[in-house]
Amino acid sequence: SQQGEEDPQALSIQEGENATMNCSYKTSINNLQWYRQNSGRGLVHLILIRSNEREKHSGRLRVTLDTSKKSSSLLITASRAADTASYFCAPRRGDKIIFGKGTRLHILP
Amino acid sequence: KAGVTQTPRYLIKTRGQQVTLSCSPISGHRSVSWYQQTPGQGLQFLFEYFSETQRNKGNFPGRFSGRQFSNSRSEMNVSTLELGDSALYLCASSKGTDGITDTQYFGPGTRLTVL
Repeated sequence: SQQGEEDPQALSIQEGENATMNCSYKTSINNLQWYRQNSGRGLVHLILIRSNEREKHSGRLRVTLDTSKKSSSLLITASRAADTASYFCAPRRGDKIIFGKGTRLHILP
Repeated sequence: KAGVTQTPRYLIKTRGQQVTLSCSPISGHRSVSWYQQTPGQGLQFLFEYFSETQRNKGNFPGRFSGRQFSNSRSEMNVSTLELGDSALYLCASSKGTDGITDTQYFGPGTRLTVL
């Protein structure tokens, strides 16, 4: 299965600091997406990175992909209270997208 | 453009009953996927419908079923409810025609509690 596994499971940082979350998967993929979920609500699509891309930026988000290590990372710079949420990676192979269990990020005031 | 809507938002049922959840996708989207989210198992894929046909299916028992109507709206049904079916059920819509770059947009979910 190409299910993503996020690491760490939970992360608490001070507001203004950077947050880094990692994702590992087991098989080759076509692309990998990151989603955010605020408590008990739907998921919001953040960014998609294709298998032939190594890095992608969107505002304060930076995603990297290392297909040789089958891993991806999501960096949130200058964190804000509103970034408190769970973050999921979703590797895609063909028509299959399998979500990991997520990283719970808590931004401390 | 209106987002994905799910009804009802909250539902309480008892064991043995059945339940039907509804999802209205973003206008123009033809694919609807359903997910079950629990603290222990995370997000698990139930099934995907595209143009009224089930296109993909996860590993859930036959008690879980779905359908899609000609206007792309979708319903999910769970029969003979069990305590373990308590979960947040999420619906996601996408164009369904963008292949591997098809992006899913999620609804707010239906919180089902089985007593």
